[in-house]
Amino acid sequence: DAMVIQNPRYQVTQFGKPVTLSCSQTLNHNVMYWYQQKSSQAPKLLFHYYDKDFNNEADTPDNFQSRRPNTSFCFLDIRSPGLGDAAMYLCATSRKNIPTYNEQFFGPGTRLTVL
Amino acid sequence: GQQVMQIPQYQHVQEGEDFTTYCNSSTTLSNIQWYKQRPGGHPVFLIQLVKSGEVKKQKRLTFQFGEAKKNSSLHITATQTTDVGTYFCVGGNQFYFGTGTSLTVIP
Repeated sequence: DAMVIQNPRYQVTQFGKPVTLSCSQTLNHNVMYWYQQKSSQAPKLLFHYYDKDFNNEADTPDNFQSRRPNTSFCFLDIRSPGLGDAAMYLCATSRKNIPTYNEQFFGPGTRLTVL
Repeated sequence: GQQVMQIPQYQHVQEGEDFTTYCNSSTTLSNIQWYKQRPGGHPVFLIQLVKSGEVKKQKRLTFQFGEAKKNSSLHITATQTTDVGTYFCVGGNQFYFGTGTSLTVIP
């Protein structure tokens, strides 16, 4: 079945130790997103790729970086995690048919704990 | 920037009662999407509305897009325990999630 896969599902890291979260998709969608969701809050968009074009949200901290080496994979790098970065990180994909974006398909998320 | 507010933030209903959540934007939206997130789960797409005044139905769920394309609503008739979760609207092409409405259904 076509789907969005996130690895790992749970990640524990130490304060200041770099961590990478991964996302892959078999849907062949041209748009990939990374969201941060804290407890009892709405998902907050960090950035998204439209094909290879990277779109960073203005309030996304510099501590968060992303890579999309090909259509199927996207990575979220947190260079120096702080306690405030503990959250669920959601990857999503969609197909963009100009001028609208279609529905987003979400992965199960990676829950990040920072010790 | 664009803000999308939802009310109420929380709603508790008896099973069988109706439920409505409202989504309001400070700017005109090109379209609006609705998602449901079960406790411990990830958001799942429900529907997209594009046209002014559009109304769509999915079984017990009715979605409406305002004439001015600045507000939307989701109405559930005769709630069931399977309706439990948080309902989010997402406005336009900017992927900003509304604040969400958490629905609890009491059996």
